[in-house]
Amino acid sequence: GAVVSQHPSRVICKSGTSVKIECRSLDFQATTMFWYRQFPKQSLMLMATSNEGSKATYEQGVEKDKFLINHASLTLSTLTVTSAHPEDSSFYICSARDLRGGINEQFFGPGTRLTVL
Amino acid sequence: GNSVTQMEGPVTLSEEAFLTINCTYTATGYPSLFWYVQYPGEGLQLLLKATKADDKGSNKGFEATYRKETTSFHLEKGSVQVSDSAVYFCALKGVTGGGNKLTFGTGTQLKVEL
Repeated sequence: GAVVSQHPSRVICKSGTSVKIECRSLDFQATTMFWYRQFPKQSLMLMATSNEGSKATYEQGVEKDKFLINHASLTLSTLTVTSAHPEDSSFYICSARDLRGGINEQFFGPGTRLTVL
Repeated sequence: GNSVTQMEGPVTLSEEAFLTINCTYTATGYPSLFWYVQYPGEGLQLLLKATKADDKGSNKGFEATYRKETTSFHLEKGSVQVSDSAVYFCALKGVTGGGNKLTFGTGTQLKVEL
């Protein structure tokens, strides 16, 4: 099966600092990755679609200057939370789209718990 | 827009009990429907899916039938095990406006006890 990893799994940072979260597809190439945010007892909210070699597509209401996405290779997308504030504390989950064999399925990473003090 | 509504949890069952987790959706056209499972400390895994009306998805003893007339995709299992304890998410992938986007329900936590 397809495996997606995220790093770090947990991060605690001070308000005003920037945090980078990595999403890697370990055994397949992904031209498209997705970044989600999950609040406690709420569903996953799509933040943006990350396309390899081009700009990310952000969902309505998501600040692109706040949440910087870079998809520089076919196996790595990064989400940088800039000038983090306590309200950015959340669980961030990425997924990578696997098109091998025409299956077109998203495989999810284990998530990153961000806590901003 | 698209939306998914699923029953709130947690749902607590004894081992070998019958499980139903309700899921209804709102979407235009004929979306694809999914159930994902998230075990503690892990990422979401696809449990089963159905891509057209009356299709039944099944995996690991779980089943769900795509009901267009009731816009539902309820998850069922005849006999749950402790190892089924997890959070279950119903989701849909629409046919318009970006066909790769998944819309999730809020998730239902299942606890199975001995």
